[in-house]
Amino acid sequence: DAGVTQSPTHLIKTRGQQVTLRCSPKSGHDTVSWYQQALGQGPQFIFQYYEEEERQRGNFPDRFSGHQFPNYSSELNVNALLLGDSALYLCASSREGPEAFFGQGTRLTVV
Amino acid sequence: GEDVEQSLFLSVREGDSSVINCTYTDSSSTYLYWYKQEPGAGLQLLTYIFSNMDMKQDQRLTVLLNKKDKHLSLRIADTQTGDSAIYFCAENSAGGSQGNLIFGKGTKLSVKP
Repeated sequence: DAGVTQSPTHLIKTRGQQVTLRCSPKSGHDTVSWYQQALGQGPQFIFQYYEEEERQRGNFPDRFSGHQFPNYSSELNVNALLLGDSALYLCASSREGPEAFFGQGTRLTVV
Repeated sequence: GEDVEQSLFLSVREGDSSVINCTYTDSSSTYLYWYKQEPGAGLQLLTYIFSNMDMKQDQRLTVLLNKKDKHLSLRIADTQTGDSAIYFCAENSAGGSQGNLIFGKGTKLSVKP
């Protein structure tokens, strides 16, 4: 079992650009959540996808959008990047039950 | 609103016990979690406790929950240098499904040989 995998591991973008991050959930998991972790902070919930729909959303602007595919993998898209979007983006997968497992994250740097 | 608070730093000697504390505000949380993050890495689920339990033990880890005071603690017995990391306490938010978690800012544990 490969666990939760995210790509790419690192990314550098320029202000105003758009970025797409990818996540493959743990085998057997059908729910994907995305988190943003700024330096020195705990992760903050962005949104959660289940059955290809956004089920719940945190306090993030519409520039943050996502998608879930029939194979349960997911993408996080961020438009009009700001310097403040620089962070570690974490994907977590889960299924019915209390456990949520995280990937290694994508380090996004906006310059 | 929902908030999870932790002390930022803890330093212990190898072989001692470490106790990391956390307070939370959402009394309707179903589960409370402890995650470990090593430098440059993602989060590793260490353990979790159901909100109607007082204690859970898993090898060197003991979780204590005081629901009345909304206080959660993680005790690591026989702490090793490999335990040096940031430890995050998290609760699942009211009405949220598993995976929608509210995290504290993390406690950096330093283990001295």
